[in-house]
Amino acid sequence: GAVVSQHPSRVICKSGTSVKIECRSLDFQATTMFWYRQFPKQSLMLMATSNEGSKATYEQGVEKDKFLINHASLTLSTLTVTSAHPEDSSFYICSAVRDRGPDTEAFFGQGTRLTVV
Amino acid sequence: RKEVEQDPGPFNVPEGATVAFNCTYSNSASQSFFWYRQDCRKEPKLLMSVYSSGNEDGRFTAQLNRASQYISLLIRDSKLSDSATYLCVVNKAGRRALTFGSGTRLQVQP
Repeated sequence: GAVVSQHPSRVICKSGTSVKIECRSLDFQATTMFWYRQFPKQSLMLMATSNEGSKATYEQGVEKDKFLINHASLTLSTLTVTSAHPEDSSFYICSAVRDRGPDTEAFFGQGTRLTVV
Repeated sequence: RKEVEQDPGPFNVPEGATVAFNCTYSNSASQSFFWYRQDCRKEPKLLMSVYSSGNEDGRFTAQLNRASQYISLLIRDSKLSDSATYLCVVNKAGRRALTFGSGTRLQVQP
């Protein structure tokens, strides 16, 4: 079963409104989660690193005031797209990394397809 | 130059064929390497990690050449269910975040 759950899977919103996306690690604690965005026919691009109990780290070119990230617990990170515009329409995916000794594995949420109309 | 480069394809192959994908990465400090599979409009799923010694998982074989900064994936006896986009993935040096290639699309035909 899924080890990272993302909700909602699909959302359509009006331009100017805000949308919150939740990402939960189900059976392990994740001090760090990652948020990616994927436009059609393009690769996943890292937007930001969500750190439990501290501020998120944003990649160059990603507006921190537009994409608000909160990581209030070891199992939950949220991404809020504020004042959404049609160009924000994309596939947003969260990821949490589970360490297993020398190996790590990244688990992905199911993704959220955001359409701004 | 992109951090991870892949041939976008598509690769159209008949069932039973052997197909190989290649990938190059630019950051020599990268430590972890993976192949992920992504089906249309779904999240990526780990196919296999890639080790310097090369590794095999059933019909799938992955190779890593650190000197050339080159990663490969070989799929033998292709099945219709192998049709997907294959993503070459490298960790960002010194970080646990991942850098994704743009993916290589495979279409296996009956």
